[in-house]
Amino acid sequence: DAKTTQPNSMESNEEEPVHLPCNHSTISGTDYIHWYRQLPSQGPEYVIHGLTSNVNNRMASLAIAEDRKSSTLILHRATLRDAAVYYCILRDVVVLIQGAQKLVFGQGTRLTINP
Amino acid sequence: DSGVTQTPKHLITATGQRVTLRCSPRSGDLSVYWYQQSLDQGLQFLIQYYNGEERAKGNILERFSAQQFPDLHSELNLSSLELGDSALYFCASSTQSHGTSGGNGYEQYFGPGTRLTVT
Repeated sequence: DAKTTQPNSMESNEEEPVHLPCNHSTISGTDYIHWYRQLPSQGPEYVIHGLTSNVNNRMASLAIAEDRKSSTLILHRATLRDAAVYYCILRDVVVLIQGAQKLVFGQGTRLTINP
Repeated sequence: DSGVTQTPKHLITATGQRVTLRCSPRSGDLSVYWYQQSLDQGLQFLIQYYNGEERAKGNILERFSAQQFPDLHSELNLSSLELGDSALYFCASSTQSHGTSGGNGYEQYFGPGTRLTVT
């Protein structure tokens, strides 16, 4: 699996936007970019995924660079409940279709939200 | 609530013992995954089952085994436990197994985990 690089930690204030970066310079054409987060004392939860175009859902937005070598997860108005470790994960759709669908977690970014 | 349930929530046992962790996937999900989370190794994939059959293996020790039953629940068996096996064990489930184009449908939904402490 291609690797991703994320900052170890970030800090933001409540009700402000948060931009969480992820670098994936060796991304292949069949890699989807997935984001998961893990709230304290909970299992990871799916946030969003995309391939080339920017994506929005009720939790967040995903902005993907034109060359796909980086992406940014955007939380539009952070709340205290968004404090978590955020993981950026590449998933090869060819491998997914073949049935091997493990998630490979890196260290992620620990996001702290200040009240 | 992800819809994935895991029991027990906490487990304390001694070295050399054997334990069984149980997972019930979301209704309709055919794939089950097991992950281990320890302080030094982070979140690591152990094994995947699809509709009762083993689909992929990760860093799973030979002392560990798993199975998925006809009702799709899964059990992870850990034997000859060592202090280093102390960790959080998560189960996840997903709908798709293979053949679906695009990146949709492969999201995994995680349970709350079982915290295993080996003393």
